[in-house]
Amino acid sequence: NAGVMQNPRHLVRRRGQEARLRCSPVKGHSHVYWYRQLPEEGLKFMVYLQKENIIDESGMPKERFSAEFPKEGPSILRIQQVVRGDSAAYFCASSPPASWETQYFGPGTRLLVL
Amino acid sequence: DQQVKQNSPSLSVQEGRISILNCDYTNSMFDYFLWYKKYPAEGPTFLISISSIKDKNEDGRFTVFLNKSAKHLSLHIVPSQPGDSAVYFCAARAGGSQGNLIFGKGTKLSVKP
Repeated sequence: NAGVMQNPRHLVRRRGQEARLRCSPVKGHSHVYWYRQLPEEGLKFMVYLQKENIIDESGMPKERFSAEFPKEGPSILRIQQVVRGDSAAYFCASSPPASWETQYFGPGTRLLVL
Repeated sequence: DQQVKQNSPSLSVQEGRISILNCDYTNSMFDYFLWYKKYPAEGPTFLISISSIKDKNEDGRFTVFLNKSAKHLSLHIVPSQPGDSAVYFCAARAGGSQGNLIFGKGTKLSVKP
C-alpha cells in the first residue's frame, strides 16, 4: 500500500536554475495539493489540482512557479530561475475524490538554492 | 497576517500525563479544523478533525475541543507517550474553499519517560 511518493527527497540548485519536483499520489487518488514550508513556519498552501485541471492556485507565486497533474504520470511542481528564498520543504498531499479532508502527505522535497 | 496561531512553540510533558496543545484562529469563516502530527524528515500525518458544528471529537487517546465563541481549539492527548513526541500542526479550512488548508506554525511536543 504505497503512500504519496515524492522525488527527489533532496534537491540542490544554483540561483537561476530550474527545479522540478515530482509527486505520485496514493493509487486511486485524483486530487493533489502542494504546500511549502519555510524554516520555522507552518505549511502554506500553494495549489490544488485534479487530473489535467488546476482547481485552486491562489497560493502560487505569480511568477516562476507552475504546476501540472497530467492524465498519466506524476504531478510536477516546477520552479524556474530559482532564488535563495525558494529554499524550503515542498510537500505534496493527495486525497480521494470528494474527500478533501483526508489529505495524505508525502515525505516532502527539501530544496536548497545556493 | 496569521489566521491560525499556535502561540506555544514547544511543550514538555511527563509520560502518562495529559498534553494540551492550543490553537487560536481569526477567520470566522473556517468550518473545519484538523490536527496533524509531524516527525522530522517526514510529511504530516492526519490525527483528528472537527467540524465547526461540533464542540468535541474524540478518537482513542486524542480529543479535540472547539470553542467557536473564543475562536479557540485544543488537542488533548491522554495519556501521553514518548512516541507522541513530534511537532503538532493545527489547520483550518475556510468554508467554500476546496480543500486548501491553512496551517499554524506548529508546537513541538516532548514527552519525557
